[in-house]
Amino acid sequence: AQSVTQLDSQVPVFEEAPVELRCNYSSSVSVYLFWYVQYPNQGLQLLLKYLSGSTLVKGINGFEAEFNKSQTSFHLRKPSVHISDTAEYFCAVTESPGGSYIPTFGRGTSLIVHP
Amino acid sequence: DVKVTQSSRYLVKRTGEKVFLECVQDMDHENMFWYRQDPGLGLRLIYFSYDVKMKEKGDIPEGYSVSREKKERFSLILESASTNQTSMYLCASSFGTSGSYNEQFFGPGTRLTVL
Repeated sequence: AQSVTQLDSQVPVFEEAPVELRCNYSSSVSVYLFWYVQYPNQGLQLLLKYLSGSTLVKGINGFEAEFNKSQTSFHLRKPSVHISDTAEYFCAVTESPGGSYIPTFGRGTSLIVHP
Repeated sequence: DVKVTQSSRYLVKRTGEKVFLECVQDMDHENMFWYRQDPGLGLRLIYFSYDVKMKEKGDIPEGYSVSREKKERFSLILESASTNQTSMYLCASSFGTSGSYNEQFFGPGTRLTVL
């Protein structure tokens, strides 16, 4: 079984500041990793995913994440946030390869960007 | 543009009523999912389906049932709504039963209030 821990339930930050949202996972097998974003009153949408290859993954809206196998982490970063980045962010994992396609989600991190 | 649509954005029902939540996807995806989302608890899987007429229980199936008569449509049924089922309900779909690398596509959600 796998689990996902998002270490911060809420991250307040000022506009144009850098931000890091932390995600750690636990699994006995290899995993695929995902970050989703949920804007207010909307469903989730994919920000980026790591399947294999380069450990630095670039996503939409200027976000990137780095896969660190030794630390079992997949932290999400953005060098300069905007007010419009205010949203809930979810980290998720599935088992690879050929494992269960049912993702395990973290509990989410609320990013609050202040002007 | 790929889409997952849900029949209602907001729904108010009375305790004991039978409630139907409908979800339709236009991507010819095999897999469909129903989650509920509550503050601090993240996403919890209620039921999922990997094919027409097939269904599997998720983590919290009690008080819910589902129906998948057509590939594109997945319905969630609350047989007798209770106040503790007040929540945001999210439908999702994904491609392929062997593709744990495939991301989920989410609908906009239905916010259900049971009075």
